[in-house]
Amino acid sequence: DTGVSQNPRHKITKRGQNVTFRCDPISEHNRLYWYRQTLGQGPEFLTYFQNEAQLEKSRLLSDRFSAERPKGSFSTLEIQRTEQGDSAMYLCASSLADSYQPQHFGDGTRLSIL
Amino acid sequence: EDQVTQSPEALRLQEGESSSLNCSYTVSGLRGLFWYRQDPGKGPEFLFTLYSAGEEKEKERLKATLTKKESFLHITAPKPEDSATYLCAVQRNHFGNEKLTFGTGTRLTIIP
Repeated sequence: DTGVSQNPRHKITKRGQNVTFRCDPISEHNRLYWYRQTLGQGPEFLTYFQNEAQLEKSRLLSDRFSAERPKGSFSTLEIQRTEQGDSAMYLCASSLADSYQPQHFGDGTRLSIL
Repeated sequence: EDQVTQSPEALRLQEGESSSLNCSYTVSGLRGLFWYRQDPGKGPEFLFTLYSAGEEKEKERLKATLTKKESFLHITAPKPEDSATYLCAVQRNHFGNEKLTFGTGTRLTIIP
């Protein structure tokens, strides 16, 4: 069990640029989640996948955000036309497809918008 | 709307001084209440899941309990390495709902 892996760990970009983050879940986990966490707050749910299917999306996920999980393994989260308010830690988690299994988190990608 | 409130926001204890952290929640049908530990610059690390009122779980110096309105994380004789932010989250028991709703956490500092 190598844990949930996220890349890059840090991303600094200028306002208006596009950014993409990658998440590799724990190998046998078929559910994958994205959360966003700002300083002093708890993580906020963005979206989740079961295998390739995106099953739930938060209202926080504006049309500038898109997430994919093309082969049911790794996932990418893209933010287009970044804004200052997008600065946050983006966390990925994974779990088995059993509603009573806990979600295990990666160490996140910290995004800073200049 | 599910809500989670954690108190206190911050807590400083001497090494060996036991205490409790509180998590009050409002959810329309609880599937599970989760406790996580988060170190600076890291992701949340899973500690416990509690499913029903009266349930208790223990791990080393930590013990989590659950009632119908709140959960407590009891820390017995803490050590400096227990310093972290402790997050509480709830999951609603609704078909197709898998999201966790988190509180803002309690930042615990253990002074040697």
